[in-house]
Amino acid sequence: DTEVTQTPKHLVMGMTNKKSLKCEQHMGHRAMYWYKQKAKKPPELMFVYSYEKLSINESVPSRFSPECPNSSLLNLHLHALQPEDSALYLCASSQVDGPNYFGPGTRLLVL
Amino acid sequence: SQQGEEDPQALSIQEGENATMNCSYKTSINNLQWYRQNSGRGLVHLILIRSNEREKHSGRLRVTLDTSKKSSSLLITASRAADTASYFCATDRTGGFKTIFGAGTRLFVKA
Repeated sequence: DTEVTQTPKHLVMGMTNKKSLKCEQHMGHRAMYWYKQKAKKPPELMFVYSYEKLSINESVPSRFSPECPNSSLLNLHLHALQPEDSALYLCASSQVDGPNYFGPGTRLLVL
Repeated sequence: SQQGEEDPQALSIQEGENATMNCSYKTSINNLQWYRQNSGRGLVHLILIRSNEREKHSGRLRVTLDTSKKSSSLLITASRAADTASYFCATDRTGGFKTIFGAGTRLFVKA
């Protein structure tokens, strides 16, 4: 299985809502990532989990809260988001020194 | 933060022609990767080249790496309309899981 799955595909939320994005991989990868991508821009790294521990937080606002329940799952909890947080959120996984395998993304719209 | 710069920003060619995209980066790297992204979808890994390699091939793709100039190029030979996409280079710095993407090249292949 060489697939990274993400749910939901689309999400519309208000600024007072709490929602979660989910990501799953069954490739045995020990690193998992969250990226944010705005239109016509490259993906921007948000968080990295390696061996289920948060190893990189790229100064992401606290309204984004990552969680890695086990080596196959990665969540991104969203709370009190702003309209400028609307973007494509991409999850990826990798082996050490290997390429990233990306999921299809969750397109988020914050109203 | 953006590690790499790519040029050109956009490239339009006829089917059957070759397409060359360049990537420059700023710091020492462990490896450099190239990805393709079709509009609004997840990224697909194309090739990973390590810092001790100079050239790599995969099908119609050829990647070169010049660590002295901190630059890489991606050549797509005999392009097809299906190659229309955005292409990103990404770098992994030595010792980390921190994959940073360049700005990307948007390739249009006209049938």
